[in-house]
Amino acid sequence: AQSVAQPEDQVNVAEGNPLTVKCTYSVSGNPYLFWYVQYPNRGLQFLLKYITGDNLVKGSYGFEAEFNKSQTSFHLKKPSALVSDSALYFCAVRDRTGTYKYIFGTGTRLKVLA
Amino acid sequence: NAGVTQTPKFQVLKTGQSMTLQCAQDMNHEYMSWYRQDPGMGLRLIHYSVGAGITDQGEVPNGYNVSRSTTEDFPLRLLSAAPSQTSVYFCASSPGTGLAEGAYEKLFFGSGTQLSVL
Repeated sequence: AQSVAQPEDQVNVAEGNPLTVKCTYSVSGNPYLFWYVQYPNRGLQFLLKYITGDNLVKGSYGFEAEFNKSQTSFHLKKPSALVSDSALYFCAVRDRTGTYKYIFGTGTRLKVLA
Repeated sequence: NAGVTQTPKFQVLKTGQSMTLQCAQDMNHEYMSWYRQDPGMGLRLIHYSVGAGITDQGEVPNGYNVSRSTTEDFPLRLLSAAPSQTSVYFCASSPGTGLAEGAYEKLFFGSGTQLSVL
């Protein structure tokens, strides 16, 4: 069965420092990988995706993520955090077998301190 | 474009009552899905549809029914509400039915329905 793990419930980082939000997955084959962000009282918004190709993908708002096949990880990163980045971040996977099911992690709350 | 529209935004039910959560999208997306969001459990897939007349179960389908009679609408029915169904419900859609690499790659979410079952 597919699964996604986000090992940290919360990540605190000072404004201007780099940030990393971790995600590991268990999916047979090569999955599609995604990051979404949720601001308070809002639906989720797409940040970035890995489909194929370059292991480092760039997305919205200066975020990027690195796909590591051997470690089955897809960590979200940003070189310099902003207070406005504070939100709930979700990693998601979908396999390539045609089941069309997205599986989400439990979410990581990012708090950027001024 | 309105995107994905969910109604109502808030609802309180008594145990045993039935209701339908509405979801409509105006982007001609073929894929639509329902999730519930619970603290510490992230988003869990309830049901999804890859086109009109086609639905399938997700991770937590029990207690919920769906139908897809049109491309635009994907209502979620609670037949007999239970306190365990207290949650925030999100509808999401995505374009394309998937022959192309990366189809369904981006989900568009509605703003959610907060449901309380007493």
